[in-house]
Amino acid sequence: GDSVTQMEGPVTLSEEACLTINCTYTATGYPSLFWYVQYPGEGLQLLLKATKADDKGSNKGFEATYRKETTSFHLEKGSVQVSDSAVYFCALSSYYNQGGKLIFGQGTELSVKP
Amino acid sequence: EPEVTQTPSHQVTQMGQEVILRCVPISNHLYFYWYRQILGQKVEFLVSFYNNEISEKSEIFDDQFSVERPDGSNFTLKIRSTKLEDSAMYFCASSVAGATSGANVLTFGAGSRLTVL
Repeated sequence: GDSVTQMEGPVTLSEEACLTINCTYTATGYPSLFWYVQYPGEGLQLLLKATKADDKGSNKGFEATYRKETTSFHLEKGSVQVSDSAVYFCALSSYYNQGGKLIFGQGTELSVKP
Repeated sequence: EPEVTQTPSHQVTQMGQEVILRCVPISNHLYFYWYRQILGQKVEFLVSFYNNEISEKSEIFDDQFSVERPDGSNFTLKIRSTKLEDSAMYFCASSVAGATSGANVLTFGAGSRLTVL
């Protein structure tokens, strides 16, 4: 079945460091791909999305490119801030799933130190 | 910005008791979902609901779980007889369209933490 695999956390970085969180997927057909973020004590918020191969999603300085050839959707940011500390979830939604459910990776906790 | 609201934010219950978790989805959304996250684990799909019926459910969503949309605004998850392993954060979500829209964007609530003793 469809699945998402993320790099293990936690990831600890200093402010202004570069961030990459790896995400790979297995899916039938051509899924839509998402990154969600969960700040401490809050729910899941959509960070960015991409709906087809080579699309780049971006928001708040974060970017991710839908790579069909490597079945990947890695999250990147050039310079992280303390306020980026959160848990990041990669997810996919399959066109063939009429109910529209999301399948999540296990989440990667990011901690940014001043 | 419209949001999904969930109540209660935290509930503690005894094993074997019934629990109802409530959600108010965004008003013009048509698809509704429940997910759960056991501490330190993945966010797992439980059930999706559209047009007043379940459209998909996971193997986690067994006979002790049920969902209902009792009126035009609420969407509830009932756990009939709670077990210790039901302790988790339960997230409600809604979306305006399903997967055929091309990019099904779910809006999540802040979650209801259930602790079963």
